[in-house]
Amino acid sequence: QSALTQPRSVSGSPGQSVTISCTGTSSDVGGYKYVSWYQQHPGKAPKLMIYDVNKRPSGVPDRISGSKSGNTASLTISGLQAEDEADYYCCSYAGSSTYVFGTGTKVTVL
Amino acid sequence: QVQLVQSGAEVKKPGASVKVSCKASGYTFTNYAVQWVRQAPGQRLEWMGWINVGNGNTKYSRKFQGRVTITTDTSASTAYMEVSSLRSEDTAEYYCATDSSGNWFDPWGQGALVTVSS
Repeated sequence: QSALTQPRSVSGSPGQSVTISCTGTSSDVGGYKYVSWYQQHPGKAPKLMIYDVNKRPSGVPDRISGSKSGNTASLTISGLQAEDEADYYCCSYAGSSTYVFGTGTKVTVL
Repeated sequence: QVQLVQSGAEVKKPGASVKVSCKASGYTFTNYAVQWVRQAPGQRLEWMGWINVGNGNTKYSRKFQGRVTITTDTSASTAYMEVSSLRSEDTAEYYCATDSSGNWFDPWGQGALVTVSS
């Protein structure tokens, strides 16, 4: 199972928006509505930010959003804040009760 | 609240085995699956496998099939993940997470660092 492809890094100034892509295949991202996104600060455990493509868990601000088109899912962070600087990983259900994570993206707030 | 607390850091020699524990609290342990994910230093998250705590069924990533065993002790609300025949490439932070019966991982344990070194 190959990792989903994410850009290595994205950056933006405070208040701007950034979008992270997550490209898979029809066997994972394109085949199911089960894409989730995780934020990970250095030395910390990952934190769920989006599940089922575009649903936000309680406590995640509405400036965080998710979407999917074909084999590519996206995470958008609007109104970028210093606290958003972290690594972000997508994850997709890949059939037969298996999962695959993305390669990870470092978000830098300039 | 739902919480997962993992065992501490371990140092192992190549060829040995390691067993990491993950104690759950704040919910009925048998209601949700427990997932295991690892992260080598500076590397991406890697899904390893999961266990349906209710019936004991397991599923492993092809990469770890045969070398990783996930079990539970329901009386102690604890899940275990054992890796055998350790090699240096297994040096990583190992995380457990629950899935609230959905296709996501939340919350996560704090992680357990396993270092494989001669």
